[in-house]
Order: sequence, then structure tokens, then C-alpha cells
Amino acid sequence: NAGVTQTPKFRILKIGQSMTLQCTQDMNHNYMYWYRQDPGMGLKLIYYSVGAGITDKGEVPNGYNVSRSTTEDFPLRLELAAPSQTSVYFCASSLPGRQIATNEKLFFGSGTQLSVL
Amino acid sequence: AQSVTQPDIHITVSEGASLELRCNYSYGATPYLFWYVQSPGQGLQLLLKYFSGDTLVQGIKGFEAEFKRSQSSFNLRKPSVHWSDAAEYFCAVGAPRSANNAGNMLTFGGGTRLMVKP
Repeated sequence: NAGVTQTPKFRILKIGQSMTLQCTQDMNHNYMYWYRQDPGMGLKLIYYSVGAGITDKGEVPNGYNVSRSTTEDFPLRLELAAPSQTSVYFCASSLPGRQIATNEKLFFGSGTQLSVL
Repeated sequence: AQSVTQPDIHITVSEGASLELRCNYSYGATPYLFWYVQSPGQGLQLLLKYFSGDTLVQGIKGFEAEFKRSQSSFNLRKPSVHWSDAAEYFCAVGAPRSANNAGNMLTFGGGTRLMVKP
């Protein structure tokens, strides 16, 4: 079982460059998420998607864009990289929760460590 | 807005000793609470969750957590720590899905890094 796969694992960017972080899942999950993790700050939600063609902003969306053309893929785009975007990025997916409950379990990828210099 | 505080950034315990990791939350109603563990170089893995009912919940790897509404806490415990438990632990709170919240909007704490001495 591949689960949630993120590429690349590491990347160094120069200020102003652009790149796309790839995320794909093979569990047929409706919901997908992008988080960034900064030391001591926990995980912050950047964008999420509840299904193909539907995306929405999370807590820290500025400087990022996403698309969801298929159920499997949820790429994250950085258009003009800035040092403040140096972080570890995690993609996650989940099934919708039962009834009124929130989603019960997120499945995480292994992360992309990005440095912007 | 919901928030989560993990007061301890680092904790070191001896192998075989008991463990308690603290988590305090702020939320206007009954929260949905989670503990995740992150091993080095890996994504997060769900340890346990609380939605309702029994306030003492059991999770994987011998962990348990107790929901205490009066203290707004959801502390994680393990009676005897193993060296393989060394990792970073995250507490998270989630909101029930509603018309304005289409999905899992988890708020994570800053994490507690656990080190285990032999």
C-alpha cells in the first residue's frame, strides 16, 4: 500500500523561483490537505480539498496555490518562493467523517523539506 | 477560535519509566481531540482520538489519554516507555463538521519531543 506519496523529499530554492510539490494518494480519499510544519509551531493548514474540483483556503494560504483535477492528486504550487516559506510540508488525506463527526483519521505523507535561500 | 497548547517542548524519560504528555485546549463546545506521533523523517500517525463517551481512551502502542473537561486537558500517558517511543507527539483539536466547515479542520499544538534514556 503506497498511501500518501509526496515528491520531492528535499528541495532548495532561490528567492523568487517557483516549484510544485506533488502529492498523490491511492486510497480513494475525498479529502486532501496541505500542512506546513515549523519548529515549535505544530502544523498549520495551508489549503484543503473536499473533492476533485473543490479547494479552499486554510489558516496560512498566502504565497501558495493548489488544484485538484483528480481524486488522487493535490499539488501545491509556490509561485515566488520567499525565505518565510522554508518549512517542512506535509500532504494528508482522509475520508469524510461519519455523521456530524469530524474526520477521524488523517493519513500523512512523509513530507517535503523545503529551503528557500 | 480553537487552540491547543502543549506546555512541554522537550521531555526526557528513562526507558521503563511512566510518561505523561500534557495537552490543553481551548474550544467553545465539546471538542474532538487527537494525539498524533511523528517519528523522525516520517509523517504523522494517529495514536488515539476522543469524540464522546468514556473519557479514558485507549490507543495504539500502549498509549492512553484522558479527557478532563473541567481542566480543558487531554493528557497522553503510557505506563512504561520503550526506546522506540522516542518521537515528537502532537495534540490536536477538531471541530464538528457544519455548514461552514466542510472538512477536518484540525488545529495542532506545537508538539512535544520525547527522548528516551537507556
